[in-house]
Amino acid sequence: AQTVTQSQPEMSVQEAETVTLSCTYDTSENNYYLFWYKQPPSRQMILVIRQEAYKQQNATENRFSVNFQKAAKSFSLKISDSQLGDTAMYFCAFMNRDDKIIFGKGTRLHILP
Amino acid sequence: KAGVTQTPRYLIKTRGQQVTLSCSPISGHRSVSWYQQTPGQGLQFLFEYFSETQRNKGNFPGRFSGRQFSNSRSEMNVSTLELGDSALYLCASSLVGAPYEQYFGPGTRLTVT
Repeated sequence: AQTVTQSQPEMSVQEAETVTLSCTYDTSENNYYLFWYKQPPSRQMILVIRQEAYKQQNATENRFSVNFQKAAKSFSLKISDSQLGDTAMYFCAFMNRDDKIIFGKGTRLHILP
Repeated sequence: KAGVTQTPRYLIKTRGQQVTLSCSPISGHRSVSWYQQTPGQGLQFLFEYFSETQRNKGNFPGRFSGRQFSNSRSEMNVSTLELGDSALYLCASSLVGAPYEQYFGPGTRLTVT
């Protein structure tokens, strides 16, 4: 069974600092997608960044970047110059060829002023 | 372009009752997926509809059902409600051929008493 594990239930960092959220996954498939979603207190799930497994280059979206280690099945998210608006639950997720998204349990991130 | 809308936003029901939740996808999106989010189980895939047909199903009992209409709007129904059905129900829509780009609605918060 495919699983997604986020080992950090909760994290806090000071504004403007850099923070890294960890994620590991388990799959026997070779082609898949990995995602980081953000869910602020408003509950709206927002896609932060997406990585296609066949691409070796790590995805980047402005202050957000990933470290994708396919062999290690690791997919961490780095947030640079963190802002108060980054406070949210962050979910690592995996999409298999059935197009179902499998989510991790989430990491609650607090950005402190 | 309007985002994914879900109605109602909040719902309180009694054990044993049934409930219907509605999801209107982004215009042009024909695939709609449903997810259940609870503190204990996290986010779990319920089912996916495409062109009025259920294409994927998660591991939920038969009390959970859904359908999709010709305009791509989708409904999910839960019969014989149990306390454990209290959750945030999220739907997401995507374009044909782009299942990796799902846009989520704000969710319906269902409370079963």
